[in-house]
Amino acid sequence: RKEVEQDPGPFNVPEGATVAFNCTYSNSASQSFFWYRQDCRKEPKLLMSVYSSGNEDGRFTAQLNRASQYISLLIRDSKLSDSATYLCVVRMDTGRRALTFGSGTRLQVQP
Amino acid sequence: NAGVTQTPKFQVLKTGQSMTLQCAQDMNHEYMSWYRQDPGMGLRLIHYSVGAGITDQGEVPNGYNVSRSTTEDFPLRLLSAAPSQTSVYFCASSYGPGDEQFFGPGTRLTVL
Repeated sequence: RKEVEQDPGPFNVPEGATVAFNCTYSNSASQSFFWYRQDCRKEPKLLMSVYSSGNEDGRFTAQLNRASQYISLLIRDSKLSDSATYLCVVRMDTGRRALTFGSGTRLQVQP
Repeated sequence: NAGVTQTPKFQVLKTGQSMTLQCAQDMNHEYMSWYRQDPGMGLRLIHYSVGAGITDQGEVPNGYNVSRSTTEDFPLRLLSAAPSQTSVYFCASSYGPGDEQFFGPGTRLTVL
């Protein structure tokens, strides 16, 4: 079983739609959670951190469910510019190792 | 600030050749890491460093060496390239291992 699992998609949605992605992680002791965005043939960039109480940044809402070991990302009012791959990222422990990346969910927003 | 820079952007090697991928950052970050990204596999950690003079292995270290003589630079060496090392390589830096990772633009490597 992968440490961080995501549905690869693609999710094809029309402009203005609401879309949600889930991600599951295997280590119940995981410490920190993030969503990164990666445009085609570009480097990943931090979209938002995910806090225990859930958090929102404009049209983006992230939720964490520790009991079920999953995190989610909700995008409201999708824009063409939201088309990208969204990477679920988890920090598994407090040691020196960095982050574990999921393989990503591809979103294509269509006009 | 240039952020994280990587060279070269593209490289083609023959099996058995060696080469060094360069990575530099100007943000005074202590933590630097190398990842490879393959289709369907996500980013996998190759090696990382928590500061100058300190490096450690990640998830897929075989066939790669690193060194960290300065805070700014973290080169990745391929000792004897193999077709299985065909991938996109990203260097990243951050203040600490759990902090926001800033990535370089990547190096696309093909080994024939």
